[in-house]
Amino acid sequence: KNQVEQSPQSLIILEGKNCTLQCNYTVSPFSNLRWYKQDTGRGPVSLTIMTFSENTKSNGRYTATLDADTKQSSLHITASQLSDSASYICVVSEGSGNQFYFGTGTSLTVIP
Amino acid sequence: DAGITQSPRYKITETGRQVTLMCHQTWSHSYMFWYRQDLGHGLRLIYYSAAADITDKGEVPDGYVVSRSKTENFPLTLESATRSQTSVYFCASRDYRVGEKLFFGSGTQLSVL
Repeated sequence: KNQVEQSPQSLIILEGKNCTLQCNYTVSPFSNLRWYKQDTGRGPVSLTIMTFSENTKSNGRYTATLDADTKQSSLHITASQLSDSASYICVVSEGSGNQFYFGTGTSLTVIP
Repeated sequence: DAGITQSPRYKITETGRQVTLMCHQTWSHSYMFWYRQDLGHGLRLIYYSAAADITDKGEVPDGYVVSRSKTENFPLTLESATRSQTSVYFCASRDYRVGEKLFFGSGTQLSVL
């Protein structure tokens, strides 16, 4: 069964600290993996995309990694800011890229 | 994102009533999707459309109807609302090319009393 699991479910960190969010998936065949950020009351917004051949991709203070062999991805946030408080959702696309599997998200709270 | 809008933003209705949620995108994206988001679940696909007049069921289609007479609009209708349909509904669109990201609307928060 195609699934996407994220951990931790929630996380509270101090402003300026780093954190890492995890995503494990069983989706096959794999097309790509995206991390989305969802602010409260808003729709998700894409942060990064990883294809099979990519190991690391950065978008500002966000760095995503992918290990296609173990089917794991992580999202590392550096020097967190209050505006990073949001839910981060891992989304894996299957095969042709038209089927998306969503994780339940990690709720990140950054406190001053 | 400014290119995809949903309305209404909030809706309260009663069981048994018909409700239509609207979605409009300005990019002429081929694909459009309806998802619902509930606590403890990832976004779940209700229906999607690959082009005008082409729609298909997703994971949780029961109780919902969609249409797509124009590329830019993709309304979702709850024919007879039930309390279990209380949720936040997101419309999304994407270009036809493989790997393209989803663009989401801001959501409609629906409460069925």
